[in-house]
Amino acid sequence: QKEVEQDPGPLSVPEGAIVSLNCTYSNSAFQYFMWYRQYSRKGPELLMYTYSSGNKEDGRFTAQVDKSSKYISLFIRDSQPSDSATYLCAMGNNFNKFYFGSGTKLNVKP
Amino acid sequence: GAVVSQHPSRVICKSGTSVKIECRSLDFQATTMFWYRQFPKQSLMLMATSNEGSKATYEQGVEKDKFLINHASLTLSTLTVTSAHPEDSSFYICSARRRGGGVSGELFFGEGSRLTVL
Repeated sequence: QKEVEQDPGPLSVPEGAIVSLNCTYSNSAFQYFMWYRQYSRKGPELLMYTYSSGNKEDGRFTAQVDKSSKYISLFIRDSQPSDSATYLCAMGNNFNKFYFGSGTKLNVKP
Repeated sequence: GAVVSQHPSRVICKSGTSVKIECRSLDFQATTMFWYRQFPKQSLMLMATSNEGSKATYEQGVEKDKFLINHASLTLSTLTVTSAHPEDSSFYICSARRRGGGVSGELFFGEGSRLTVL
């Protein structure tokens, strides 16, 4: 069983839609959760960081962590074509090792 | 925001040669740097963890004599692919954790280096 599972997509939505991206994990010790956006042939860019459970909002992005279900989500409101990218979740229980999902490719159509 | 620079961004080399990739944290000190490999449409695979002034810790299955990592300062780590072969062709990405980052633990990534071995 992989440490982190993420649907690879692709996910295609119209401009303005609310996008929901999710990851599940198996290690209950994970307490650091991150979402990265990766454009083609570029390095990942940190979008959101959450420690332990709860919600965090930053502009159009909301990250949720449900540790009881071992499930994390990233919501994108009012999606834009510029949001088209691959979104990676990452998590870990200490600073020295993080586990990444396989990434979900998102396409926002104008 | 924190900036991590990788160089070169693209490199093509002949089989049997060695290639060095640099990873620099431009505006912060990085106590720990990480090297990843990413295959097309796949996630990042951690290769090794590099702490300044000490030997790198390699993940299982990664040959340390093949992938030499040096973390000479708080702002620079290098990955050298020795005697490269076509199967080493990949996208190599580094990340750095900011010194004194407290409980945040954010990782900042470089832009990646695409290696093609002919």
